Amino acid sequence: QSALTQPPSASGSPGQSVTISCTGISSDVGNYNYVSWYQQHPGKAPKLMIFEVSKRPSGVPDRFSGSKSGDTAALTVSGLQAEDEADYYCSSYAGSNNYVFGTGTKVTVL
Amino acid sequence: QLQLQESGPGLVKPSETLSLTCTVSGGSISSNNYYWGWIRQPPEKGLEWIGIIYYSGSTYYNPSLKSRLTISSDMSKNQISLKLSSVTAADTAVYYCTRGLLGASDYWGQGTLVTVSS
Repeated sequence: QSALTQPPSASGSPGQSVTISCTGISSDVGNYNYVSWYQQHPGKAPKLMIFEVSKRPSGVPDRFSGSKSGDTAALTVSGLQAEDEADYYCSSYAGSNNYVFGTGTKVTVL
Repeated sequence: QLQLQESGPGLVKPSETLSLTCTVSGGSISSNNYYWGWIRQPPEKGLEWIGIIYYSGSTYYNPSLKSRLTISSDMSKNQISLKLSSVTAADTAVYYCTRGLLGASDYWGQGTLVTVSS
């Protein structure tokens, strides 16, 4: 199974929105609604931000939203804040109880 | 509050077996609502899914690691473990223990760095 494709970097000014894409294939992102997104600050463990494409765990701000169209999922961070600067990873169920992660995107708040 | 804590040697020699334990507190690994797993991250690189274990004991592994990997659980100690044999420098990574639900890892341990070097 190959890693899902994410852009290496994305950026935006405070208050703006940034969208990160996550492209898979028909046997992972395109076939299941088990896409999740994780935020990772330097030296820290990843934190779940979105599960099942667009659901937010308790405590995650509604500035974070997820979507999917075909083989591509997306995470949008609206109203960017300084603390949103981090690495973001997508993940998808790939069938047969296997999972695959994205390549990761570094978000910079300008 | 659920907590996961990884433990094990921080240095393993090439060709030997990497062994890690994850101790779960604040919840039971025998709950049939969740699965438990391992994810790793080589230095300055991305996340890699390693494998999972269900309360039933069923295990599922990353195909690229399957021939070297064993994940098991000890309900009496509320622990899961990982064994990766014949390690090389490419196995150097921070290893995370996680809880899975609805296709996502909602709880993570702090991670433990394992370096493969002679």
